[in-house]
Amino acid sequence: AQSVTQPDIHITVSEGASLELRCNYSYGATPYLFWYVQSPGQGLQLLLKYFSGDTLVQGIKGFEAEFKRSQSSFNLRKPSVHWSDAAEYFCAVGPSGNTPLVFGKGTRLSVIA
Amino acid sequence: DARVTQTPRHKVTEMGQEVTMRCQPILGHNTVFWYRQTMMQGLELLAYFRNRAPLDDSGMPKDRFSAEMPDATLATLKIQPSEPRDSAVYFCASGLDGRYEQYFGPGTRLTVT
Repeated sequence: AQSVTQPDIHITVSEGASLELRCNYSYGATPYLFWYVQSPGQGLQLLLKYFSGDTLVQGIKGFEAEFKRSQSSFNLRKPSVHWSDAAEYFCAVGPSGNTPLVFGKGTRLSVIA
Repeated sequence: DARVTQTPRHKVTEMGQEVTMRCQPILGHNTVFWYRQTMMQGLELLAYFRNRAPLDDSGMPKDRFSAEMPDATLATLKIQPSEPRDSAVYFCASGLDGRYEQYFGPGTRLTVT
């Protein structure tokens, strides 16, 4: 069965510091992997996606993620966090981009001055 | 700027009442997904339509929930009768074959008292 684990429920970082959010997945075939961001009271916005090719993918808002098949991981990174990055971040997996996704429970990011 | 729209944005109702949530997918998209978000379960799939045909509603309590697509521009999710445990945020998303992502609406926050 497909599953996604985001080990960190809540992370606090200082503005300007680097960020890494962890995501591990369980999937029987080559997965499509996604990171979404949800601001309070808002829907989910796609940050980036991976389905083939270069294992380091670039997304919007300066985020990037690296697919590591050997570790079943797809961690999200950002070199310098801005206060506006405070939100909830969800990792998701699916057989393609246009089929139902399985989401992790999310990681809430707080940014302090 | 094409967006998925959902109405109502907020709904408060009493236990036993019927609730109808509506979703307008992005024009031209051929898939629609209904997800429910709760603190305990996170984001989980309720129903999935492709070309208006229901493909997966295994996540939906069949005795009280129903999902339909009367036409390509409207998807509905009904709960009858509603129960307090149905309190959640309900998201609609749409997608298009060949485009590897889903676009989420802002959600309907349902509170059943």
